[in-house]
Amino acid sequence: DAGVIQSPRHEVTEMGQEVTLRCKPISGHNSLFWYRQTMMRGLELLIYFNNNVPIDDSGMPEDRFSAKMPNASFSTLKIQPSEPRDSAVYFCASSHTGANVLTFGAGSRLTVL
Amino acid sequence: GDSVTQMEGPVTLSEEAFLTINCTYTATGYPSLFWYVQYPGEGLQLLLKATKADDKGSNKGFEATYRKETTSFHLEKGSVQVSDSAVYFCALSVPFGNEKLTFGTGTRLTIIP
Repeated sequence: DAGVIQSPRHEVTEMGQEVTLRCKPISGHNSLFWYRQTMMRGLELLIYFNNNVPIDDSGMPEDRFSAKMPNASFSTLKIQPSEPRDSAVYFCASSHTGANVLTFGAGSRLTVL
Repeated sequence: GDSVTQMEGPVTLSEEAFLTINCTYTATGYPSLFWYVQYPGEGLQLLLKATKADDKGSNKGFEATYRKETTSFHLEKGSVQVSDSAVYFCALSVPFGNEKLTFGTGTRLTIIP
C-alpha cells in the first residue's frame, strides 16, 4: 500500500486566494482526520470523518475552512479566502475503526504571503 | 477535557546517552496511550502504544509503561543514536472516540555524535 497520499506537498499562494488540499486515505480505512501543525499551536485536529460522514468539525477555525469527503478514497480541505495566519503544515491521517492507530500522510506545507 | 502534557524541548543529548521524555495525561475513562515520532520533512509515525494500565509498549529500543496511578507514559531509551533525532509526540485516545487522537505539544530531540 502506498500509504496516505497528500497533495500538493508544498503550496505558496497570496492572501485572498483559494487553497485546496487533497488526501487519499489508505484503502479500507474508514476514518479520516485533518490536522494542522504550527510552531505556536502544535498539532490541532481540524475535522474527522467516519464512513465519509463528518463527525466532529469543532476544530475548524472559521467559516473560511471547509472539508469534504465525497467518497471513501478522497477528501479535500479548502480555505477560501486564505490568510497569512493559515500558513502551516496540514496533515491527513486515516485509520480503520477499532484499530486504534492513525497513519499519517507526509503533509502539505502551505505558505500564504 | 482530555489533554496531554509533555516535557518541553528542545532536548539535546550525546550519542549513547540515556533518554527520558516525560508525558502525563488527563482523560475520562481508560485511554489508550501512544508515542508518535516525526522525522524532518515527514508525517508522524507510530512509535509505540499501550492500551491498558501496566502495559509496556516498545519499539526500536524505545519503551514506555502505562502508569495509571501517576497518569504517566514516559518515553525511555537506554542508548540514543544520531538517527533518533526527531520530534516526539505523546498522545491519547479515549474509548468510543473514533480513534481521535489528542496530542501533546511535541519534544524536539537532537542527538550529537
